[in-house]
Amino acid sequence: DTGVSQDPRHKITKRGQNVTFRCDPISEHNRLYWYRQTLGQGPEFLTYFQNEAQLEKSRLLSDRFSAERPKGSFSTLEIQRTEQGDSAMYLCASSPSSGANVLTFGAGSRLTVL
Amino acid sequence: GDSVTQMEGPVTLSEEAFLTINCTYTATGYPSLFWYVQYPGEGLQLLLKATKADDKGSNKGFEATYRKETTSFHLEKGSVQVSDSAVYFCALTGYSTLTFGKGTMLLVSP
Repeated sequence: DTGVSQDPRHKITKRGQNVTFRCDPISEHNRLYWYRQTLGQGPEFLTYFQNEAQLEKSRLLSDRFSAERPKGSFSTLEIQRTEQGDSAMYLCASSPSSGANVLTFGAGSRLTVL
Repeated sequence: GDSVTQMEGPVTLSEEAFLTINCTYTATGYPSLFWYVQYPGEGLQLLLKATKADDKGSNKGFEATYRKETTSFHLEKGSVQVSDSAVYFCALTGYSTLTFGKGTMLLVSP
């Protein structure tokens, strides 16, 4: 078990460009979550999947954001037409569907929009 | 909606001092409560949890008791170490997602 892996760890892009982040969860976990964390704030929920189904999306997830988990394993989070306000750490977490929702987090992907 | 309020930091202590970080919550139903810790340059790690009223979670010398009557889950440690310097997040979960507080930075000096 290698934990939750995220790639890339850091992305610098120009405003208006598209970026994509990948998350590989713990293999036996069927729930996968995306959170966003800005400096000095706690993580904010974006969306989550149970297997390949996207079950909940936060209102923070604007139309420029899309997340997929096509085969119920890894997930991607794409941000189109990036804005400077999108600069943040994007965190992925996974959990089993039973129990007290103990999430295991990855190290995060830091996005800097210039 | 659900929310978590933590005391603002930074909390600055000398080694071996007693630590309390206050956390209160607002939630419908009966949430589970968590403390996560984020060490510099690392991802969030679960520190401890409690799933029902009066449960006490504990790990690495840290403790927190789920107090339904005061809607609180305060984190305590009897004797902090320099290695405990980190950001601590209180969180709750209802059915599916975690809601976090803003985090409290702890700085421990030798």
